Amino acid sequence: EAGVAQSPRYKIIEKRQSVAFWCNPISGHATLYWYQQILGQGPKLLIQFQNNGVVDDSQLPKDRFSAERLKGVDSTLKIQPAKLEDSAVYLCASSPERRTNYNSPLHFGNGTRLTVT
Amino acid sequence: GEDVEQSLFLSVREGDSSVINCTYTDSSSTYLYWYKQEPGAGLQLLTYIFSNMDMKQDQRLTVLLNKKDKHLSLRIADTQTGDSAIYFCAENLGVNRDDKIIFGKGTRLHILP
Repeated sequence: EAGVAQSPRYKIIEKRQSVAFWCNPISGHATLYWYQQILGQGPKLLIQFQNNGVVDDSQLPKDRFSAERLKGVDSTLKIQPAKLEDSAVYLCASSPERRTNYNSPLHFGNGTRLTVT
Repeated sequence: GEDVEQSLFLSVREGDSSVINCTYTDSSSTYLYWYKQEPGAGLQLLTYIFSNMDMKQDQRLTVLLNKKDKHLSLRIADTQTGDSAIYFCAENLGVNRDDKIIFGKGTRLHILP
């Protein structure tokens, strides 16, 4: 099966600019996640979608970050305006079901590396 | 609180065993996972262990769980150059917490020739 696709792979922007990332999950996967991975740290969940509804966005800085999954398939994550501390790898993951367990593990994309200067 | 702690670096000679350790704080964890991240790639699930097990073996990988001490370890037998990566310990907080998964900061495994 094709994996989780993300684009772009790299993005360099200046602070206060806007940026958007795109994710195409594995076909048929109902649940989609966006994680932020700052250098030297583990992934931190930003937002979780179940189909096109939001399950958890408690860690999403909503004053500058937004995400959508309009048709329950692809998703975009936007940052507007970007700050220096947003420099990180943004990972998209998907799973077949809402429950993440051994039958429904997370499948990660390769991520988008964002550098804010 | 929710926290997963790991040592940041481990160096091992090729052919030796690698042991990566992890401690977690949440007693309601249902599953514990080990993920592998190679340079420029996303995380790949290596193995998992259910919280009522104390050991799981899968080819060169052995996972040990001490639930009393909230300690998890991953042993890689006959470590090879392809095992060079960052290894993340993660815990699933259970159905009452929407199966939220918390990751540690990762242990970078370096293989010495």
